[in-house]
Amino acid sequence: AQSVSQHNHHVILSEAASLELGCNYSYGGTVNLFWYVQYPGQHLQLLLKYFSGDPLVKGIKGFEAEFIKSKFSFNLRKPSVQWSDTAEYFCAVNRNGGATNKLIFGTGTLLAVQP
Amino acid sequence: ETGVTQSPTHLIKTRGQQVTLRCSSQSGHNTVSWYQQALGQGPQFIFQYYREEENGRGNFPPRFSGLQFPNYSSELNVNALELDDSALYLCASSFRQGQETQYFGPGTRLLVL
Repeated sequence: AQSVSQHNHHVILSEAASLELGCNYSYGGTVNLFWYVQYPGQHLQLLLKYFSGDPLVKGIKGFEAEFIKSKFSFNLRKPSVQWSDTAEYFCAVNRNGGATNKLIFGTGTLLAVQP
Repeated sequence: ETGVTQSPTHLIKTRGQQVTLRCSSQSGHNTVSWYQQALGQGPQFIFQYYREEENGRGNFPPRFSGLQFPNYSSELNVNALELDDSALYLCASSFRQGQETQYFGPGTRLLVL
């Protein structure tokens, strides 16, 4: 069955610390990969996406993610977090070229950044 | 802001009732997907509409149904509400051509008592 696993459910960091959130997927075939963020009281927003090409993708607000096909992983990184990065982060996958653009989401990682 | 709007923002219903949630897609988008996000979980795909036809469905019973209108706006209907239907319902729009990114609305929070 298709699934996405996010290993860290809660992460607490101090400002300026580095961040890495894990994401692994189980999905047959070629995939598109996404990270979405949900700030407190706001809607889901796209942070970054990978469709093809360079496996290191850069997104908004200094975030980046690396697609490692052999490990079925798409981990999110940021070298130095800020208090404003406090949010819930979701990894998602869909099938590249599929008839239905159905996103499969992980359960999310709640990040709290302490000032 | 994505340009995807949903109404209402909050709703309280009782078991057995029916509910209709509405979504207006982003300008230029012709595909609408609906997701259910239970507390502490990631969004789960309910179904997708493209050109007014259902175009894929997740693991939800038939009492979850939808519509898409010629202007690409959409409705999600849930009949015979159950307590477990309490969740945030998200609408996402996209343009069904090539690589598609889904853009989400703010959601409707439904509480079933």
